[in-house]
Amino acid sequence: QKEVEQNSGPLSVPEGAIASLNCTYSDRGSQSFFWYRQYSGKSPELIMFIYSNGDKEDGRFTAQLNKASQYVSLLIRDSQPSDSATYLCAAGGSNYKLTFGKGTLLTVNP
Amino acid sequence: GAVVSQHPSWVICKSGTSVKIECRSLDFQATTMFWYRQFPKQSLMLMATSNEGSKATYEQGVEKDKFLINHASLTLSTLTVTSAHPEDSSFYICSSTSGNTGELFFGEGSRLTVL
Repeated sequence: QKEVEQNSGPLSVPEGAIASLNCTYSDRGSQSFFWYRQYSGKSPELIMFIYSNGDKEDGRFTAQLNKASQYVSLLIRDSQPSDSATYLCAAGGSNYKLTFGKGTLLTVNP
Repeated sequence: GAVVSQHPSWVICKSGTSVKIECRSLDFQATTMFWYRQFPKQSLMLMATSNEGSKATYEQGVEKDKFLINHASLTLSTLTVTSAHPEDSSFYICSSTSGNTGELFFGEGSRLTVL
């Protein structure tokens, strides 16, 4: 059974701070990893994907992957109230089927 | 990114009726579409993989006779919830990939409420 685990939170950070979201996965065969943001009542939207060990930066977002530890993280710098949402971590293999975590609820306080 | 359009965005129906949800890829050809279901405060659970021109592949525990999937063209997949019951009330989301990056692009989602 493939599993993706996330801390359900809620995670609360002040505006301007760094938010750190973590995720572990059980399937060592997973090749691709994704972070989605989901606002309440809305569909998920892709923030970042990462395939290789190390860091990948895109604006205020940095994804980190450590395949040896089966660990993925997302850092959000200079957090804004508009970043408040549930963040979903997902792991996928070669068939494009993704396994999602339950999500971490992030609240950024003004 | 690629655009996936889903319709209707919400629907309320009586128990025992059937509901059809459409998912369209607007700017790319979607050979494969995925149908997810999400209950409140839960993650997305894959229901089935829809392949153009062939039968859908259902995940374990998903009733194929209850959740009918049709993928007759490269831009349209439909999910029909047959004889819906209150426990089928959920947020149904379709998605597809574009290119070879493995990214999933989601439709807007359809919230089904069965009375």
